Amino acid sequence: AQSVTQPDARVTVSEGASLQLRCKYSYSGTPYLFWYVQYPRQGLQLLLKYYSGDPVVQGVNGFEAEFIKSNSSFHLRKASVHWSDSAVYFCAVSPGFASALTFGSGTKVIPCLP
Amino acid sequence: EAAVTQSPRNKVAVTGGKVTLSCNQTNNHNNMYWYRQDTGHGLRLIHYSYGAGSTEKGDIPDGYKASRPSQENFSLILELATPSQTSVYFCASGDWGDTLYFGAGTRLSVL
Repeated sequence: AQSVTQPDARVTVSEGASLQLRCKYSYSGTPYLFWYVQYPRQGLQLLLKYYSGDPVVQGVNGFEAEFIKSNSSFHLRKASVHWSDSAVYFCAVSPGFASALTFGSGTKVIPCLP
Repeated sequence: EAAVTQSPRNKVAVTGGKVTLSCNQTNNHNNMYWYRQDTGHGLRLIHYSYGAGSTEKGDIPDGYKASRPSQENFSLILELATPSQTSVYFCASGDWGDTLYFGAGTRLSVL
């Protein structure tokens, strides 16, 4: 069975500063990895996904993630945070695209004035 | 654009009552899923389906049933609702080689 750990429940970051959200997964096979974002009172929207190839994958709105197999990690990054990035971010793993996803508990991002 | 529609958006139910949550997708996807979201737990899989007439148990199926009468529709049924089932429920659809698309969620309160 697979699992996902997001160790930070909340992250406060100054607008314009860089952001990194941590994600570690556990899965015995080759993982399909995802980051989703949930804005208030909305469903989940895909930010980016990874299965193979370049370990740094680009997503929407300036987000990127890096797959580090040796560390079982798939951290999400953004170079400069905007107030509109206020949301909950979920990391997820599955055995294949469109297979059932296993989610982490989510990280709430709170941008603040610098 | 992929579309997944859930109804109702909000529901208040009484303990012991029957609740049906509906999901419709216009993407012609084979796979559909029901998740619940609770603070501190992320999303947890309740039931899923690989096509019309099929349902499978997810990680937390107790107290829930599912029905997939057609390619487009996937329902989640609480025969005897309990307060512990108060949550936000999300439906998703997807197909092999593609990602999952989520509905906007149903907020259920069981009093």
